[in-house]
Amino acid sequence: DSGVTQTPKHLITATGQRVTLRCSPRSGDLSVYWYQQSLDQGLQFLIQYYNGEERAKGNILERFSAQQFPDLHSELNLSSLELGDSALYFCASSVGGESYNEQFFGPGTRLTVL
Amino acid sequence: AQSVAQPEDQVNVAEGNPLTVKCTYSVSGNPYLFWYVQYPNRGLQFLLKYITGDNLVKGSYGFEAEFNKSQTSFHLKKPSALVSDSALYFCAVRDKGSSYKLIFGSGTRLLVRP
Repeated sequence: DSGVTQTPKHLITATGQRVTLRCSPRSGDLSVYWYQQSLDQGLQFLIQYYNGEERAKGNILERFSAQQFPDLHSELNLSSLELGDSALYFCASSVGGESYNEQFFGPGTRLTVL
Repeated sequence: AQSVAQPEDQVNVAEGNPLTVKCTYSVSGNPYLFWYVQYPNRGLQFLLKYITGDNLVKGSYGFEAEFNKSQTSFHLKKPSALVSDSALYFCAVRDKGSSYKLIFGSGTRLLVRP
């Protein structure tokens, strides 16, 4: 158990809908990262927050947005969902925001868009 | 552009034999290199990292990796494989200079047969 929690574990929704994925980092970790894992794209970095501020952005679509709250939990919002958004979404956390910090991953949220 | 390659989709090895999972990278400047493991229906777990210093890095569960700058490689090794090592292994790289992004390879499935 990494100490990172993600809810929900599974999410099934329809095209065009909006969903919110939630992540609680390990106690003491200030950085939160979001990743998307799919069979065709592999593991893709989406976005990083450090202590409430956006730190780095990856291959995140405009339909997706994220934020980190004062209690350091984070939410990833996915809107106007398409079939291709079906994937496993991981949250990870690290103690600092520097690139040498190892990341600790949550168990993921499996999103299925029908 | 930064990239990391894992040339083998799958590696098969008998229990008790040494194992190697290959990784090569391409980044500007000196890299930060990581290995993660993913067990079925689980998030990724950190194994080890190279930041600087000794080219041979020791990590969790008896794994080690050797950083080779001239060959731009960071192969994962273990002297004696266990059936429980069977999982999906990801190599990842960060450009120390300017980016906080973690770029993952496509993953290598390790199958250790009894």
